[in-house]
Order: sequence, then structure tokens, then C-alpha cells
Amino acid sequence: AQSVTQLDSHVSVSEGTPVLLRCNYSSSYSPSLFWYVQHPNKGLQLLLKYTSAATLVKGINGFEAEFKKSETSFHLTKPSAHMSDAAEYFCVVRSSGTYKYIFGTGTRLKVLA
Amino acid sequence: GAGVSQTPSNKVTEKGKYVELRCDPISGHTALYWYRQSLGQGPEFLIYFQGTGAADDSGLPNDRFFAVRPEGSVSTLKIQRTERGDSAVYLCASSYSSGGTDTQYFGPGTRLTVL
Repeated sequence: AQSVTQLDSHVSVSEGTPVLLRCNYSSSYSPSLFWYVQHPNKGLQLLLKYTSAATLVKGINGFEAEFKKSETSFHLTKPSAHMSDAAEYFCVVRSSGTYKYIFGTGTRLKVLA
Repeated sequence: GAGVSQTPSNKVTEKGKYVELRCDPISGHTALYWYRQSLGQGPEFLIYFQGTGAADDSGLPNDRFFAVRPEGSVSTLKIQRTERGDSAVYLCASSYSSGGTDTQYFGPGTRLTVL
């Protein structure tokens, strides 16, 4: 079985400070992991994906995530938050051999001026 | 080029009615997915098509839900005897192939409200 847990439903940071959005996963087989962002009234957009290559994955808009198998984690980070980063972020897992993408419940990021 | 489009953008219906939701994937994309997103939740997988066939429909909640993709392009999600609990945003996504790491491109969704 596969599942994903986003540990924080809401995160607030000040503009220019680091962002950390936490995600833990459970997967029976080698997982593929993704982070998606959903801006208000916009469609879901892929930020980055882990596909069993490098464990540190760089995505768009300065985001990156590190796959840690021992901790079953795939936390999303960004060194310096921008106002435009305010959105809902979803961690997604897909186990090898399946077509089902399992989304977490989301983390709403608020960026304070 | 054009992205994934979904019609209608909003649909209001009464309990017990039948509804159809349409998805136009990106041209050339063979894989198509349907998801349902309830308020405050992440998208929930419903069904996956590879070409014309449903390769995985394990996420369909019950037999009131059905989806087709007769020519391997446009897909229609059909809901019979709608219930208030079916109210949600229905999302469609497509990807170039069924490869597990292929990027899924999402449409804007259809907001279904069942009164």
C-alpha cells in the first residue's frame, strides 16, 4: 500500500526566509515522488519529481527536495520565500508497478510581507 | 500549445440527475487521469486510461461513476443518480505516456455542485 502524509496543513513564513514543507511517504515498492503547487484559481503545476536518480532534486522557482529513504521523507525547501510562493502544495507518491498517484492533503503556504 | 481543457467549468445539478464532465487532453498524450478533489483535501485518484482502455479504475467510488475515452483522446466522466456527496472539483490530467515519471498536466477542473 502507498500513502503520503503532509505533516503541516498550514505554514507561515516571512518573505525572504527559508521554506520547509514536510512530507513522509509509505510505499511497498520503489516510489516516484512529486511535489505539485496549486495557486488560487489555477491548475496544479509540477514543481519537481524524484525518479530514483539523484536524491536531491531541483525544481522550478528555486524549490528543491531531498529523498531520504531511511526516513521515508521527501521534504520541500526553498532558501528564500517570495510573495508569489503563497499557494497550496501537494506531495504525491506513486509506487513502481502502479498507475495510482496518491496525493497528500496539502500544505497551505502563507508568505508574510 | 493548448493545455488540458475541461468543460463545463461549473456544473450545478439536482440530486438524482445524470451529469457528464468532459476532458480534452493535450494533443498526443496517450495517458489520461481523472481525479476528484473535495474541499480541503488533495486530489483523489479515480481512473487512468492508456489510449482507449481504462488500465486502472480502482478509484471509482461505486458503479454510479463511469468514464470513457472511445478514440483515445477526449474523455467523458459520467455520474448517474448524483448525490450531494458527489459535490467536488473533478480534475483531469494527461501525460505523454504511461511512464511512471512522466509529468502529468492538469486541467482547471470542473466544479460539480449537487443540490
